[in-house]
Amino acid sequence: DVVMTQTPLSLPVSLGDQASISCRSSQSLVHSNGNTYLHWYLQKPGQSPKLLIYKVSNRFSGVPDRFSGSGSGTDFTLKISRVEAEDLGVYFCSQSTHVPTFGGGTKLEIK
Amino acid sequence: QVQLKESGPGLVAPSQSLSITCTVSGFSLTSYDISWIRQPPGKGLEWLGVIWTGGGTNYNSAFMSRLSISKDNSKSQVFLKMNSLQTDDTAIYYCVREGSGTAMDYWGQGTSVTVSS
Repeated sequence: DVVMTQTPLSLPVSLGDQASISCRSSQSLVHSNGNTYLHWYLQKPGQSPKLLIYKVSNRFSGVPDRFSGSGSGTDFTLKISRVEAEDLGVYFCSQSTHVPTFGGGTKLEIK
Repeated sequence: QVQLKESGPGLVAPSQSLSITCTVSGFSLTSYDISWIRQPPGKGLEWLGVIWTGGGTNYNSAFMSRLSISKDNSKSQVFLKMNSLQTDDTAIYYCVREGSGTAMDYWGQGTSVTVSS
């Protein structure tokens, strides 16, 4: 299975700061069709995860443009340009190029 | 609007089987694949398997021997059955639609399953 490693485990931020989360895969996520199926989710306390970014850099419907994704191959990054209170929770990266797997999560919390 | 809702037993005795139903609305099961994912308490997410629009399935190899996913398109329902449950199967079980770029774009609220005698 493809192992997804997220850093940091915890990310204390001040509201209005920029936040950056890293996700590294144990194998390349480039599919034979040329697409890279790396996605990002946010799980707020007591809720199910919600899709933020799909295929590395595409924002899902309704996701604010302060969220952006980048990367290629095995190294990916999620950035939040100006953190708001509603952004707090646990962020997961996931890949579906191979049998789907998830990163362990990064908890974004107030400093 | 797109909705998925799981219904399960809540409590299952060790060695018994688990059955969960996912009822969807706002889209057709003939147009979207549905995956099952679980999340043990305080832990991360684990993909269990998928049922494709045509009815074929693919399972996480770790569960292949005791997991079955099926569906009834006419009732907009997807079914998960897992046998021989143990305490480490205690988790929230989610049904999820695979949409945008094969990402899991809509999630159910989840159903909590506790394995205990």
